[in-house]
Amino acid sequence: DGGITQSPKYLFRKEGQNVTLSCEQNLNHDAMYWYRQDPGQGLRLIYYSQIVNDFQKGDIAEGYSVSREKKESFPLTVTSAQKNPTAFYLCASKGPLAGYGYTFGSGTRLTVV
Amino acid sequence: RKEVEQDPGPFNVPEGATVAFNCTYSNSASQSFFWYRQDCRKEPKLLMSVYSSGNEDGRFTAQLNRASQYISLLIRDSKLSDSATYLCVVTEPGAGNMLTFGGGTRLMVKP
Repeated sequence: DGGITQSPKYLFRKEGQNVTLSCEQNLNHDAMYWYRQDPGQGLRLIYYSQIVNDFQKGDIAEGYSVSREKKESFPLTVTSAQKNPTAFYLCASKGPLAGYGYTFGSGTRLTVV
Repeated sequence: RKEVEQDPGPFNVPEGATVAFNCTYSNSASQSFFWYRQDCRKEPKLLMSVYSSGNEDGRFTAQLNRASQYISLLIRDSKLSDSATYLCVVTEPGAGNMLTFGGGTRLMVKP
């Protein structure tokens, strides 16, 4: 079955540590996205990529980095520069037609300890 | 001004009630519209697309008013399992049809 997989489901980070969240899709989608969601809040766009080897900053890119070396993969690194990283992180992908919505992964819940 | 605005609620309704949510969007060039459902601590999932002529899927009816730039979702005969947050979503044609999400409306259906 086609889908989008995020791992790990739960992640704990120490202060000052970089961590990488994985996102893999087998839907053959060109566009992929990373969102952050805080409790009781909406989705905020961190980074997005419309095509391999290209990506753009979203609304809250500071303290995060991404790469898009393969069509299937769009990992997100939460760096030590992100001062408040505890949140629910969602990865999504989208097909080429305007009428299609996003397919989301099941999310990674990151907690700073 | 937010690009997609929703009343955050919560809407507390009894089982069997009919409830309606509205959403307004700012970009008149937006072409595609969706309602997503998000359960607590889960990812959003597509509930239904919204078509210009309005569309229905079982107990759910979605309507689009382009002139006034609002979208609505009507839920009839509410079930306990309908309790969730409902996200209004709009495409941004100038940004590769990226989706813009409203903040969500929380629905709680009570026995």
